[in-house]
This record gives sequence, C-alpha cells and structure tokens, in this order.
Amino acid sequence: DAGVIQSPRHEVTEMGQEVTLRCKPISGHNSLFWYRQTMMRGLELLIYFNNNVPIDDSGMPEDRFSAKMPNASFSTLKIQPSEPRDSAVYFCATSRDGPYNEQFFGPGTRLTVL
Amino acid sequence: AQSVTQPDIHITVSEGASLELRCNYSYGATPYLFWYVQSPGQGLQLLLKYFSGDTLVQGIKGFEAEFKRSQSSFNLRKPSVHWSDAAEYFCAVGAGGATNKLIFGTGTLLAVQP
Repeated sequence: DAGVIQSPRHEVTEMGQEVTLRCKPISGHNSLFWYRQTMMRGLELLIYFNNNVPIDDSGMPEDRFSAKMPNASFSTLKIQPSEPRDSAVYFCATSRDGPYNEQFFGPGTRLTVL
Repeated sequence: AQSVTQPDIHITVSEGASLELRCNYSYGATPYLFWYVQSPGQGLQLLLKYFSGDTLVQGIKGFEAEFKRSQSSFNLRKPSVHWSDAAEYFCAVGAGGATNKLIFGTGTLLAVQP
C-alpha cells in the first residue's frame, strides 16, 4: 500500500486566497483525521471522520475552515480566506475503526500564507 | 479535562546510552496511552500503546514504556540509543467521552551525539 497520500506537499499562497488540501486514505481505513502542527500550539486535531461522517470538529478554528469526505477514498480541508496565522504543517492520518487504533500519518502539507 | 505533559522539551544523549522520556497524564479513569515518533520532515508513527493488562509495554524499534498509575506516568525507555533514534517523540492520551480523540503532548526532541 502507498500509505496516506497528501497533496500538495508544499503550498505558498497570499492572504485572502482559498487553499485546498487533499488526502487519500489507506484502503480499508474508515477513520480519517486532519491535524495541524505549529511550533506554538503543537499538534492539534482539527476534525475527524468515521465512515465518511464527521465525528468531532471541535478543533476547527473558525468558519474559514471546512472539511469534507465525499467518499471513503478522498477528503479535503479547505481554508477560505487564508490568513498568515494559518501557516502550519497539516497532516492527514487514517486508521481502522477510530482514534485508538494505530493512526497512519501522511507526509503532511506545509502551508505558508504570506 | 484530559491532558498530557511532557516536561522535557529537548534531550541529548550519547549513542549507546540509555534513554527515558517522561510523560505525565491527567485522566479520571484508566487511560489509553500512546507514544508516537516523528522523524524530521515526516508524519508520526506509532511506537507503542497501553490499554490495559501488563503495565510494561513493548513497542517497535526496541522501545518500551511503563504505565504507573500511582505516578500518572507513562515513560518511554530504550536501553541503548542509536543515531537513527534522533526524532521528536509525542505522548498521547485517549480523551474518552463521545469521540475518543487523542490528546497529544507538546513533544520531546531527542538529539543523539556520536
């Protein structure tokens, strides 16, 4: 298996632009997690899906952030409009049946908002 | 609320020396505890986890951790460190409740001297 696939790996954009991050989970994994990692705040869970349904989105910072999982093979995290404070590494992780089973992390997307 | 504390931000050990990384948690019941490792530029990888039973847990790459309820600790150990162990190590606790998400500590960055 190729593991969790994230795209793009790097994204540089200007404040106010829309940013879309993409994730392809490992086949057979039914739980998907979006995390954000910064020096100041560490690793934060933004949202997680189970069987394509959002279970916990309490970590989504504000209405500028949205996430979708239209099917078992694909998820997006969108920021609109982006702000410099959104600069971070965004990880997608997947697991079989929930957060307590081993989460497999993708390589991350490094986002820089100028 | 559940929380995890990793008191050491940065640790340096010599190759071949023993290692212990500290983790303390706050949780009302028996916690689910995890250690993940993040190599530079990569996502996190699960080293080991504790749910119940034997309080000494063996993981991958020669790591082990011991759950001590009386001390609310779950310290990670390795008897002999290799240069390839240089990475950032994260302790996490299962938050329980309706969503069971993981709460990660702030991480300990391990440097290995030759």
